[in-house]
This record gives sequence, structure tokens and C-alpha cells, in this order.
Amino acid sequence: GNSVTQMEGPVTLSEEAFLTINCTYTATGYPSLFWYVQYPGEGLQLLLKATKADDKGSNKGFEATYRKETTSFHLEKGSVQVSDSAVYFCALNPTQGGSEKLVFGKGTKLTVNP
Amino acid sequence: DVKVTQSSRYLVKRTGEKVFLECVQDMDHENMFWYRQDPGLGLRLIYFSYDVKMKEKGDIPEGYSVSREKKERFSLILESASTNQTSMYLCASSQTGGGTGELFFGEGSRLTVL
Repeated sequence: GNSVTQMEGPVTLSEEAFLTINCTYTATGYPSLFWYVQYPGEGLQLLLKATKADDKGSNKGFEATYRKETTSFHLEKGSVQVSDSAVYFCALNPTQGGSEKLVFGKGTKLTVNP
Repeated sequence: DVKVTQSSRYLVKRTGEKVFLECVQDMDHENMFWYRQDPGLGLRLIYFSYDVKMKEKGDIPEGYSVSREKKERFSLILESASTNQTSMYLCASSQTGGGTGELFFGEGSRLTVL
């Protein structure tokens, strides 16, 4: 079946450190891949997405590349800020063009200290 | 600004009570979803609706029902609340088709069942 595995947290970094949150997936066909972010006290919001192999999604300094050969979609940021403290969810849509029933990872909590 | 609004941010109910969680979206989206979010388990889909009066079970529908009488409103009903339904409940909506996978989430309703 379809599943998403992301690194367990929590992750604690100092401001300006490099961030990687690993995400791997299992899917039949050609899924779309997403990263969502949940800031404290808020709902989830889309951070970035990629719809086909080798696509790179980027937003707010975050990047992730759709790697079909390794079935991965790792989230990276070169220099994190305190305001990046949040929970990050990797997700896939297994049906291109179909219903948007996403499959989510369990989330990784990031804390950035000044 | 597009919005998904959940009627109650915090609720406290007693075991056996009937609980209604309301969600309204102003984006004219066809699809609406109810998830629950629990530590260590991530997001799990309870029910999904792709049109007025249409619904589909998600991964954990037991103990829940839903109602969608109007396009903009999707209600989650706990017929007889139990302590294991203490959780954060998230409503989301999306546009049909396109495979973009972008879900718009509300801020969540934190339910405590005593």
C-alpha cells in the first residue's frame, strides 16, 4: 500500500544551523509529494510540493527534491530561524489527478533555539 | 483570504454525550475531510466527502459519523463520546481534480472527553 516514513523527532537546532528532515515513501504509480508545516496553535499549511521525479519544491528557504530512485523527499533548509519552530509533515497523493486523499507521515517537531 | 473555520477551538465533554464539530469553508471546494491528530500517530483520516450528501469512510471511522447538507459545511458527529476520542480534530478542504494535493486546514478543535 501507500505509506510515508519520516524521521522521528524532536529535532532541536540552534539558529542558523542546517536542517534536514528525512522522508521516504512507498507508493504504486507516480505520486505527488508534499511537505506541510504546522506552527504552534495553528492548522497545517502547505510548505512545498513536487509532482514528478526530479522536481524540486521550494518555499521560504526550504527545499525538497523528488527522488524516484531512492523514493525520498527530504526537506532541507540552509539556515534555520527561531520562527521555523513547528511540526513538519511529509505527505503523498497516490493518485495523480485524482481525489486529494493524502497519506501523511507522523510528523517531525522542530525546535530552533536562539 | 481563503479560510476553513472550525466552530470550536476547545471543547470538554462527558462520556456518553453527543458531540458536534462544525467546519465551514469559503472556497467553494468540493472535497472536505475530517482528521484526528494524536501524538506519535500523526494525522489519521476519519471521513471524507466529495460532494453534498456524499461521504466516504477513512481509516478510522468507528465511533464517528458525518453530515454534509451544504457544500460549504461538513460536520463531524460523535454519537456517544468516549475517553479514547480525546484528540485534536482537523477539518480540511480541497478542490476536485488537478492532483495538486493542496489541502486547506482549519485551526483544529481540541476535544477532551472526561
